[in-house]
Amino acid sequence: KAGVTQTPRYLIKTRGQQVTLSCSPISGHRSVSWYQQTPGQGLQFLFEYFSETQRNKGNFPGRFSGRQFSNSRSEMNVSTLELGDSALYLCASSLGGTRPTEAFFGQGTRLTVV
Amino acid sequence: AQSVSQHNHHVILSEAASLELGCNYSYGGTVNLFWYVQYPGQHLQLLLKYFSGDPLVKGIKGFEAEFIKSKFSFNLRKPSVQWSDTAEYFCAALLTGGGNKLTFGTGTQLKVEL
Repeated sequence: KAGVTQTPRYLIKTRGQQVTLSCSPISGHRSVSWYQQTPGQGLQFLFEYFSETQRNKGNFPGRFSGRQFSNSRSEMNVSTLELGDSALYLCASSLGGTRPTEAFFGQGTRLTVV
Repeated sequence: AQSVSQHNHHVILSEAASLELGCNYSYGGTVNLFWYVQYPGQHLQLLLKYFSGDPLVKGIKGFEAEFIKSKFSFNLRKPSVQWSDTAEYFCAALLTGGGNKLTFGTGTQLKVEL
C-alpha cells in the first residue's frame, strides 16, 4: 500500500512570506503528526491531528498552524517566514485511536527561507 | 517533562564489529519506545518498537533492543554491522494516552567503514 506522501519536496521562500505544506497519510490512518528537523535542534514535534481535531501541540509559535480534512489529509502553514524556519518538515501517519501505534514517516518537505 | 537522551552522537565502526547505541528516557507514565533509522537522503524508517511484553524486541535487518525499566533504557544492538548500516539512528518515546506525540533523542550518526 502507498506510504505517506508529502508535497512539495522542496520549497524556497523569502522572509515574510507564508507557506503551506501538504501530507497524505497511509490509507486508513486517521492521525497525522508534523515534525521539524534541523541539524541544531533535531526532530521536534509540531502538532498532531486526529479526526480533524488538533490533539497535541508542541512548543512552536502561533505562526505554525495546521489542519486536517475529512479524508485525513493534512496541511501545515507557516506564516511570516523567518530564516530560522529553514528545515526539513516531516509528516507522520498513524492509525490513531486510544492505543499507541507506530508512526510512518514521509520523505519530508525541505523548506529554505532566504 | 518527558525527554529522551542518546549518549553517542557519532560512532565509527569497522564492518563486522558489534554495535550498541544507548538510549535513556524520562517519562512519568507508561512509555512506548521506538528506534528509527534515517539512511542518507531517505525518510525515517522504523527499525523496531516496544509496547509491552517481552523486553527484548527484534526488528528489521538484524537489529534488536532491550527495554530495561529499572534503568529507563532502551539500547539498540546489532552483533555484526555492515557498511550499509551507515545512517543516523533515532530513539523515540511515546506516552500511552498522550496521542501520537513522539519525543525523539538527538540521534546517533553511525559510520561503518570497510
